[in-house]
Amino acid sequence: EAGVTQSPTHLIKTRGQQATLRCSPISGHTSVYWYQQALGLGLQFLLWYDEGEERNRGNFPPRFSGRQFPNYSSELNVNALELEDSALYLCASSFYTSSNTGELFFGEGSRLTVL
Amino acid sequence: GDSVTQMEGPVTLSEEAFLTINCTYTATGYPSLFWYVQYPGEGLQLLLKATKADDKGSNKGFEATYRKETTSFHLEKGSVQVSDSAVYFCALPVFSGGYNKLIFGAGTRLAVHP
Repeated sequence: EAGVTQSPTHLIKTRGQQATLRCSPISGHTSVYWYQQALGLGLQFLLWYDEGEERNRGNFPPRFSGRQFPNYSSELNVNALELEDSALYLCASSFYTSSNTGELFFGEGSRLTVL
Repeated sequence: GDSVTQMEGPVTLSEEAFLTINCTYTATGYPSLFWYVQYPGEGLQLLLKATKADDKGSNKGFEATYRKETTSFHLEKGSVQVSDSAVYFCALPVFSGGYNKLIFGAGTRLAVHP
């Protein structure tokens, strides 16, 4: 069974440009999470989508946005890129139910470099 | 609010040494607890988990016991290998008002030398 897949693996942009990152969850998973891992720092929660809706977002400015498609894949968009947006962006998926223990399945990440 | 605190790294050990990485948490109720591992250049993988108090999670020689008295979930391994070099994250699910997310500790980098 395929795991969580992310694309692109690496992306280089310049300040002010827009970046789009994509994620395909594990088959059957309806929830997709996005995390930012800046160099030397831990994981910061960005966004959670479930059943096509944004359910929660972390403490990030509105230029970080995304969406979830009917097939549960997701896109993360970062507008007006700044140098500090350079990071590894990790996508994770889960099957969300009220009894979910909270385990997430992660992709290998997309490394965004802003020059 | 709910939070996870990990010991700061990096931790540098020789092969076959004993490893402990401390993790304490603050949470409402008794959520599941997780340890994730991130090998160089990769995403996160679940290493082990415990779903209730006094449970012991184990995998690949690593163990962690969910201790509600001390609100801790320390990671241990009796004999580390070079291949264990990675960053280890303690994690806690937060459920609030229908919202669901996983919060992570800051991560502890482990370097094992031959």
